[in-house]
Amino acid sequence: DVKVTQSSRYLVKRTGEKVFLECVQDMDHENMFWYRQDPGLGLRLIYFSYDVKMKEKGDIPEGYSVSREKKERFSLILESASTNQTSMYLCASTTGDASEHYGYTFGSGTRLTVV
Amino acid sequence: AQKITQTQPGMFVQEKEAVTLDCTYDTSDPSYGLFWYKQPSSGEMIFLIYQGSYDQQNATEGRYSLNFQKARKSANLVISASQLGDSAMYFCAIGGRGGGSYIPTFGRGTSLIVHP
Repeated sequence: DVKVTQSSRYLVKRTGEKVFLECVQDMDHENMFWYRQDPGLGLRLIYFSYDVKMKEKGDIPEGYSVSREKKERFSLILESASTNQTSMYLCASTTGDASEHYGYTFGSGTRLTVV
Repeated sequence: AQKITQTQPGMFVQEKEAVTLDCTYDTSDPSYGLFWYKQPSSGEMIFLIYQGSYDQQNATEGRYSLNFQKARKSANLVISASQLGDSAMYFCAIGGRGGGSYIPTFGRGTSLIVHP
């Protein structure tokens, strides 16, 4: 079974902490994405990567950075966590051309609370 | 730029009845894909169905079908014979080109509740 694994299901962090959210996929996908999901706002794209060491800003990159040192791993970094970053974070991956067979494969999400 | 609009924040349907979830889109890409995802309360995003912009026929997957009207830029999801387990959030998405990949843009979602 194809898998996208997010390292933590729930996280509680303090304001100002540096936070790492890890995402690993075992499908040899080129493209990986980080979204945040908030009620009433749907999924909003933070960053994406289409190759190792490549990254592109999405719609809401402020306050976040990413790292992709290996093809299978895409990390989201909150440099200094703030309460307005409390949210559900979803990682997704796909091949170079999302297909009718697989679409985008998502991890199970990390619910982050910043206190 | 791409945009997905889901105008129904919440929908209710009786078990065993059919329900249509609305989705309209906007894109300047000549080639694109449309997707529907289901998100139960557990939080996982489950891929339901895909429609390519050049596909001549509407996509179907079991009880799910996509009513694709390209001229109207709509991609409504039809769920036939609703089941209690269909209660979930449903997201419509469009995949466009950017950085060599299809980058999906999601709508705000529709919450579906199936009554017994």
